[in-house]
Amino acid sequence: ETGVTQSPTHLIKTRGQQVTLRCSSQSGHNTVSWYQQALGQGPQFIFQYYREEENGRGNFPPRFSGLQFPNYSSELNVNALELDDSALYLCASRLQGRYGYTFGSGTRLTVV
Amino acid sequence: GESVGLHLPTLSVQEGDNSIINCAYSNSASDYFIWYKQESGKGPQFIIDIRSNMDKRQGQRVTVLLNKTVKHLSLQIAATQPGDSAVYFCAEVLNTGNQFYFGTGTSLTVIP
Repeated sequence: ETGVTQSPTHLIKTRGQQVTLRCSSQSGHNTVSWYQQALGQGPQFIFQYYREEENGRGNFPPRFSGLQFPNYSSELNVNALELDDSALYLCASRLQGRYGYTFGSGTRLTVV
Repeated sequence: GESVGLHLPTLSVQEGDNSIINCAYSNSASDYFIWYKQESGKGPQFIIDIRSNMDKRQGQRVTVLLNKTVKHLSLQIAATQPGDSAVYFCAEVLNTGNQFYFGTGTSLTVIP
């Protein structure tokens, strides 16, 4: 039990569609980040949220966006899906000022 | 994104032997480094971390060494056990924790 829950676990979408992935962070963790992990690769940092504001972003286009809510939940939204967006999407949370993220088990997104 | 790479993509060791997993990073301004373990179907799990002002840190059966001169990080696992079989990632933290970069990963297989 990691304390970080992601839903759904698996998802299939069509190219051009939009998708929303959800994460419930560990209670008290006010910082959440999202990662994209392609098969056989390390997780790639998408962005980080602290107190409902984005405060860090990796090399991802604006069609990747997020929201963080006061109840420690968050969302990753991806518009205009492309085939290369197929990956495992990981959510992780931590206390601000601490670097040890706790990860969820991820959502496996397949774009066809 | 930043370049965090691993020297060896795969490593096989005999049960009971020590394992050493290496990682090279590119940004001398990195604040912090973390090693994660990822088992199949799960999110990354925190193992050990080290601040950039340290050169060694020990945990239970694990030691992380940091050589800032050559931008090199290593994870040593003592008395490797079958349960240690997983993919290991080093991660580089920048910008006071607001940017987070993983390497490609090393797959460790422990032979009973």
